[in-house]
Amino acid sequence: DQQVKQNSPSLSVQEGRISILNCDYTNSMFDYFLWYKKYPAEGPTFLISISSIKDKNEDGRFTVFLNKSAKHLSLHIVPSQPGDSAVYFCAAAIQGAQKLVFGQGTRLTINP
Amino acid sequence: GAVVSQHPSRVICKSGTSVKIECRSLDFQATTMFWYRQFPKQSLMLMATSNEGSKATYEQGVEKDKFLINHASLTLSTLTVTSAHPEDSSFYICSAREYPGLSNSPLHFGNGTRLTVT
Repeated sequence: DQQVKQNSPSLSVQEGRISILNCDYTNSMFDYFLWYKKYPAEGPTFLISISSIKDKNEDGRFTVFLNKSAKHLSLHIVPSQPGDSAVYFCAAAIQGAQKLVFGQGTRLTINP
Repeated sequence: GAVVSQHPSRVICKSGTSVKIECRSLDFQATTMFWYRQFPKQSLMLMATSNEGSKATYEQGVEKDKFLINHASLTLSTLTVTSAHPEDSSFYICSAREYPGLSNSPLHFGNGTRLTVT
């Protein structure tokens, strides 16, 4: 039972344009969401998070949007840069619980 | 920032042998560490929660006798894959929270260990 789903295994975007990565979840108890970035042969690194009391959180080029009614979140990267090429995982948690549930990841490729 | 170090990064072993993977928090104390496993093109799956000074908590379907976890100090957790089989070949990643009392404190991950069992 995949509670967190990233339906696009890959995404290719031109440098300088906007990258939009999507994530859907099924468990309505989730109230905290995170995005991680992963390069090959490395562990994931934390990128940005959002609590369910918000619908948007911005940090530099990265913005996460949360639509609770649709159980959907997205990560926007603008402008996209070649160094953004990586696998992006969304993760969800219930605050107060230790466990994160991850999506399958989306491989983002930024083309020069 | 907080760093989690994992060793070794790669290991190849023969079927039937045991492999130990170490996870260290380098500049913070981690009373709890988490062990994840990732199969190719799949998500990170939590295997177990390692608790300093007490027994690990295993997720459903994870064999505790096969994946031995020891959390002997506030900065070190080890995962031992016992009697490894080819189907245990995977990418194992540990993680820890810098501020364990804050559930919204992000997890910091080690760089992972690629285990190949021949």
